[in-house]
Amino acid sequence: GDSVTQMEGPVTLSEEAFLTINCTYTATGYPSLFWYVQYPGEGLQLLLKATKADDKGSNKGFEATYRKETTSFHLEKGSVQVSDSAVYFCALLPYSGNTGKLIFGQGTTLQVKP
Amino acid sequence: KAGVTQTPRYLIKTRGQQVTLSCSPISGHRSVSWYQQTPGQGLQFLFEYFSETQRNKGNFPGRFSGRQFSNSRSEMNVSTLELGDSALYLCASSSSTSGKETQYFGPGTRLLVL
Repeated sequence: GDSVTQMEGPVTLSEEAFLTINCTYTATGYPSLFWYVQYPGEGLQLLLKATKADDKGSNKGFEATYRKETTSFHLEKGSVQVSDSAVYFCALLPYSGNTGKLIFGQGTTLQVKP
Repeated sequence: KAGVTQTPRYLIKTRGQQVTLSCSPISGHRSVSWYQQTPGQGLQFLFEYFSETQRNKGNFPGRFSGRQFSNSRSEMNVSTLELGDSALYLCASSSSTSGKETQYFGPGTRLLVL
């Protein structure tokens, strides 16, 4: 079945460092791909998305490119801030069937130190 | 537009009781999905409703049920609570008739079963 694998955390960075969180997926066809972020005590916020191969999603300095050939959707940011500390989830929405069912990775905790 | 709202935000119940959680989607959204989030299992899909019909269901026992009303508000019910039902329950809404569109999440209801 469809699945998402994220790099294990926690990831600890100093402020202004470069961030990469790896995400790979297994799915049939062309799923839509998402990154969500969860701050302590809150629900999930959509960070960015891509719906077809080679699409680049971007928001608030974060970027991710839908790579069909490597089945990846890695999240990057050039310069992280303390306020970026949160849990990041990679997710896919299957191409066919399974309406309304997001499949999530296990989440990666990011801690940014001043 | 107001976001997805969930009530109550926190609940404490004892084993064997039942609980009902409520979710109001973004205005105009007709699809509501429910997820359970636990430290051990991560984010797992419970079910999805569209136009008052359950369109998809995850692998949860029959103690977990839901419904959707004509105004798209949704409720989920858990009967005969078990300790393992302690979790953050998230709902998400989308405008999708196909079940393939972006989901926007509420803040969640945190359920503690004693």
